[in-house]
Amino acid sequence: DAGVTQSPTHLIKTRGQQVTLRCSPKSGHDTVSWYQQALGQGPQFIFQYYEEEERQRGNFPDRFSGHQFPNYSSELNVNALLLGDSALYLCASSLRTGGGWNSPLHFGNGTRLTVT
Amino acid sequence: RKEVEQDPGPFNVPEGATVAFNCTYSNSASQSFFWYRQDCRKEPKLLMSVYSSGNEDGRFTAQLNRASQYISLLIRDSKLSDSATYLCVVSPTGANNLFFGTGTRLTVIP
Repeated sequence: DAGVTQSPTHLIKTRGQQVTLRCSPKSGHDTVSWYQQALGQGPQFIFQYYEEEERQRGNFPDRFSGHQFPNYSSELNVNALLLGDSALYLCASSLRTGGGWNSPLHFGNGTRLTVT
Repeated sequence: RKEVEQDPGPFNVPEGATVAFNCTYSNSASQSFFWYRQDCRKEPKLLMSVYSSGNEDGRFTAQLNRASQYISLLIRDSKLSDSATYLCVVSPTGANNLFFGTGTRLTVIP
């Protein structure tokens, strides 16, 4: 049973560049959420995708965008990178049941992004 | 004010000790509460959910006080393998977005 997989594991970009991170949810899950974890901080919710639409969004600028594909996998795109975007980006998947999301989140290993 | 606040520690305790972590949350409408564990350079993993009646899982006991908007985690008979960062997590009603505290770093010393 494959868990949540993310790629790449590490990435180094320059200020102003754009980056795309990828995530495949745990088998059987249909919802993908993205979190940003800066060093020494807890993860911060970026947004959640379900049925290929953004359903909820945290307090992140429009430079952060995403997409969900028919196979439930997802991408996180960040444009015009800033030094402050350096962080661990975590993808989490879950299953929507009974009109809500009651199943626990399963996290991937994350992508460590460094912006120089 | 942050959604979830917790003491970042670090807590350094000897093996066999009992240690308690606390956190507070700001949204009184929150309905789901969890403790996650995160090892160094790894992803967070669910340790246990927290229920109003309190719940226990082996050496771990979680408590929720809705009136005070306060959550606690007690670890008894600490093991070296308990060394990790413990994240207090709160979720609004019907939502799947989690609000994490900054985490409390625990080191269990031989």
